[in-house]
Amino acid sequence: SAVISQKPSRDICQRGTSLTIQCQVDSQVTMMFWYRQQPGQSLTLIATANQGSEATYESGFVIDKFPISRPNLTFSTLTVSNMSPEDSSIYLCSVLHRGAAYNEQFFGPGTRLTVL
Amino acid sequence: AQKVTQAQTEISVVEKEDVTLDCVYETRDTTYYLFWYKQPPSGELVFLIRRNSFDEQNEISGRYSWNFQKSTSSFNFTITASQVVDSAVYFCALKVNNAGNMLTFGGGTRLMVKP
Repeated sequence: SAVISQKPSRDICQRGTSLTIQCQVDSQVTMMFWYRQQPGQSLTLIATANQGSEATYESGFVIDKFPISRPNLTFSTLTVSNMSPEDSSIYLCSVLHRGAAYNEQFFGPGTRLTVL
Repeated sequence: AQKVTQAQTEISVVEKEDVTLDCVYETRDTTYYLFWYKQPPSGELVFLIRRNSFDEQNEISGRYSWNFQKSTSSFNFTITASQVVDSAVYFCALKVNNAGNMLTFGGGTRLMVKP
């Protein structure tokens, strides 16, 4: 399995500011994703981070609010822009590992974001 | 559209009891994949198992076992002789070929194992 790290692990931010979350994988991966888990809720896919091109967003999520970068096969960032308390969630990076059995998907440790 | 239902929001057991977590899924696709993940209090999501729709063989891994039944669209997870360290939220998830690589998660079941 791939080893996935995220920075920061947690943060407390003020309304109206932005936070960039980093996801680093220890090996090249086919696909990277960003999920959101609101308090006490299940996980929802925000977008697929495409290497070298714009991310693919799911319904309800837009690039202006959640810009994503993926400059190479091992790294991606998610920015939560103009934050409000409703953005308080755990944000998780997920990867499909190159060479793994088809459709095995792993998750990073998550970033706990609290917006005041 | 895909849907995963975990009807049990919370389960509480005493250590050494067996416990089964239910998962029912909905999809019109014939090719799909089912997953179970564990989320301990620390928050990370730990991959437990993946099953594809063509493999209905049940699986056992130590104290964990999974019962996949296509006839009832269920993929239940049993922990035998539960331990306090099993306390976590468990998520069942579904991925279908025609939905890209999106995982559809159930609402999760919080398992509390008391000593």
